[in-house]
Amino acid sequence: GENVEQHPSTLSVQEGDSAVIKCTYSDSASNYFPWYKQELGKRPQLIIDIRSNVGEKKDQRIAVTLNKTAKHFSLHITETQPEDSAVYFCAALYNTNAGKSTFGDGTTLTVKP
Amino acid sequence: DAGITQSPRHKVTETGTPVTLRCHQTENHRYMYWYRQDPGHGLRLIHYSYGVKDTDKGEVSDGYSVSRSKTEDFLLTLESATSSQTSVYFCAIISGPGSYEQYFGPGTRLTVT
Repeated sequence: GENVEQHPSTLSVQEGDSAVIKCTYSDSASNYFPWYKQELGKRPQLIIDIRSNVGEKKDQRIAVTLNKTAKHFSLHITETQPEDSAVYFCAALYNTNAGKSTFGDGTTLTVKP
Repeated sequence: DAGITQSPRHKVTETGTPVTLRCHQTENHRYMYWYRQDPGHGLRLIHYSYGVKDTDKGEVSDGYSVSRSKTEDFLLTLESATSSQTSVYFCAIISGPGSYEQYFGPGTRLTVT
């Protein structure tokens, strides 16, 4: 089955700096890569996603890049703010018919004011 | 929130007792999923459903069963709860045909003593 590794597990940045979280996946058939943000005690919420036919996608301060050859994708957050502090999860969809995804173990991002 | 609710939101139960968690959705989504979330493990798929009476196992299905007798309800049952099943359980749906975007319910915190 699919295996997704996420790094780093914790990340601390100063407000205004950029943050980068990286994920690698094992199944070359995976074709959809979402990122979720989970605040303490809340549900995971989709913040951005990318499909395998696209190399980069941007939404305001958030961007995701995908390298299919190397089988890795990254989340980039620019001009970080304290409200960006949360746990971020990447995922890879490996079964299109059933919508089955494998998640990374999460990155706890702390943005210090 | 894609019209997803979970009940109960919190439950404490004793080892060996049966427990049923309910996921209810109001928007006629075909695909529904049950995940568990534990510290350091991200989200792991327990079971999923692709229609009424159509279900299949995920990566951590041992000790769990599911049922879906109508589109709006997806039930997760722990036949005989164990302490290792103490976790936060999230239900999720995929938003529509041709979409892979997952939306999560608010979660159920289950403690098995």
